[in-house]
Amino acid sequence: EIVMTQSPATLSVSPGERAALSCRASQNVRSNLAWYQQKPGQAPRLLIYGASTRATGVPARFIGSGSGTDFILTINSLQSEDFAVYYCHQYTSGKTFGQGTKVEIK
Amino acid sequence: EVQLMESGGGLVQPGGSLRLSCAASGFTFSSSWMTWIRQAPGQGLEWVANVKQDGSVKYYRDSVRGRFIISRDNVENSVYLQMNSLRAEDTGVYFCVRDDASGYYEYWGQGTLVTVSS
Repeated sequence: EIVMTQSPATLSVSPGERAALSCRASQNVRSNLAWYQQKPGQAPRLLIYGASTRATGVPARFIGSGSGTDFILTINSLQSEDFAVYYCHQYTSGKTFGQGTKVEIK
Repeated sequence: EVQLMESGGGLVQPGGSLRLSCAASGFTFSSSWMTWIRQAPGQGLEWVANVKQDGSVKYYRDSVRGRFIISRDNVENSVYLQMNSLRAEDTGVYFCVRDDASGYYEYWGQGTLVTVSS
């Protein structure tokens, strides 16, 4: 099974600042990597697929990058609605998720 | 508009059974793989099982294989998860999800809570 490791577990950021979330795969997943945002009591929301393609309706401040084993989700100029938990997900071999990064208000 | 609506969650004792249902609408159900994903309280996301468009192929995570059965009804546009021999570690919110052909998950239901406790 491909293990996905996200860091940090918690990221404290002030509104308007930039956040960079890391996701590392234990094997090469090529560009088969997605990012989701989840708020309390809600289902996850797809943000990025194919490592860097924004899903429909996702603001341009969300930027996905990377390929192979190392990926980054950058959120520029954090808005109040961006404080949430973010998960990465590989779909190259089986389906596995990272453990999540919580982005909280500093 | 794609909609996925789960039902059937609840409180069950260890060793008991529960059947989850997911009613789908807004897309061609018979053309999509369907998946169940769960989330234990305060924890991350865990893929549980999926089923091919015609129901002929099914996959399960190791910890539920032999206890859970995924099925679908392409006339009723529904997918099901029969959960038997339930354990405390099966507790969580179960999401019904439509598989995109590429493998990521764009459409999720709101989830149904399963609690396994005596």
